[in-house]
Amino acid sequence: AQRVTQPEKLLSVFKGAPVELKCNYSYSGSPELFWYVQYSRQRLQLLLRHISRESIKGFTADLNKGETSFHLKKPFAQEEDSAMYYCALRISGNTGKLIFGQGTTLQVKP
Amino acid sequence: NAGVTQTPKFRILKIGQSMTLQCTQDMNHNYMYWYRQDPGMGLKLIYYSVGAGITDKGEVPNGYNVSRSTTEDFPLRLELAAPSQTSVYFCASTAPKANYGYTFGSGTRLTVV
Repeated sequence: AQRVTQPEKLLSVFKGAPVELKCNYSYSGSPELFWYVQYSRQRLQLLLRHISRESIKGFTADLNKGETSFHLKKPFAQEEDSAMYYCALRISGNTGKLIFGQGTTLQVKP
Repeated sequence: NAGVTQTPKFRILKIGQSMTLQCTQDMNHNYMYWYRQDPGMGLKLIYYSVGAGITDKGEVPNGYNVSRSTTEDFPLRLELAAPSQTSVYFCASTAPKANYGYTFGSGTRLTVV
């Protein structure tokens, strides 16, 4: 079955602390994974995708096929990182469909 | 460049009423989607379209209908609203040229009472 799991509903850290938002997936095909972020009162927006191997706003995510994970990391959290984060898996084929995880709220305390 | 525009932003419906959520995009994206967002449940796909004249069901299509007469527009119709349809609805679009990264609308918060 195709599934994306984000085990933490809420992750609370202090400013300057490292952050790791967990994402595990279940998929028989070749996975293509994304992280989306929703800041307060803003629309969902793409943060990063694994195929780009990019770092956005200090966040990185590495696809680990052995552990079927795509954890989002940042070495030093900032208060402006507080938001809802969604991990998503693109289903192969020509539909572009995404399966989203349940989302993790990141709260960065001053 | 407006991206994806959704209207209305908020709506309260009575049980049994109907309404249409509007979604339009100006990026010439072929693919469009409707998701609903419920607390603790993530986003669930309602319907999607890979081009004008082509629509298909997602994970939770019951109680909804869509049409795609143009590339730009992808309205979502709720017939006979039920309390279970209280949710936040997001429209999104993408294309292979965008590496399938979604552009989302601002969402519609719907309450059925």
